[in-house]
Amino acid sequence: ILNVEQSPQSLHVQEGDSTNFTCSFPSSNFYALHWYRWETAKSPEALFVMTLNGDEKKKGRISATLNTKEGYSYLYIKGSQPEDSATYLCAFNDYKLSFGAGTTVTVRA
Amino acid sequence: GAGVSQTPSNKVTEKGKYVELRCDPISGHTALYWYRQSLGQGPEFLIYFQGTGAADDSGLPNDRFFAVRPEGSVSTLKIQRTERGDSAVYLCASSSGGPNAEAFFGQGTRLTVV
Repeated sequence: ILNVEQSPQSLHVQEGDSTNFTCSFPSSNFYALHWYRWETAKSPEALFVMTLNGDEKKKGRISATLNTKEGYSYLYIKGSQPEDSATYLCAFNDYKLSFGAGTTVTVRA
Repeated sequence: GAGVSQTPSNKVTEKGKYVELRCDPISGHTALYWYRQSLGQGPEFLIYFQGTGAADDSGLPNDRFFAVRPEGSVSTLKIQRTERGDSAVYLCASSSGGPNAEAFFGQGTRLTVV
């Protein structure tokens, strides 16, 4: 069982503020690192699939970086909005997805 | 269909009963995953199919759990002699296969064992 850890477990952000959180994963035998966003009462949806060390991906106000050598990825939310409230899951994919426990983000208006 | 479909969306069953949970993946997706999500935790891997065969069933908690995918499309997760600890949201996902392929999730089946 692969050890994928996310921190913090939860965070509260004021609307307009920026925030970031971490995913750590095994640095050996790396294939891909996925980020998913899971809103209440919906299915998890893919944000990014990252494969290369130093990769940076961006979708709107959300971006992610990847360091495969040290085994971590950061997800950034710039100018948080209430609609960003969700649980953000990272998953290490070496043919099956092994998920972390997620970081639950609550954006207060 | 356009997305991954799971039925039923909710299932309440009595302890000791048998249940089947169904997953209809996106057409053409060869990889299919089952996960279980309990409150406050991330999705816990149960089993992964590549085509018709279970490529990895190491996450099935015990022999009461079994899953099939006989034609490489629809999959059924079967739980025998259900226990209260089996109560969780069971998620199914499919992908075109390979580590770079994003997974598409169904809405999940919320199983409650009373």
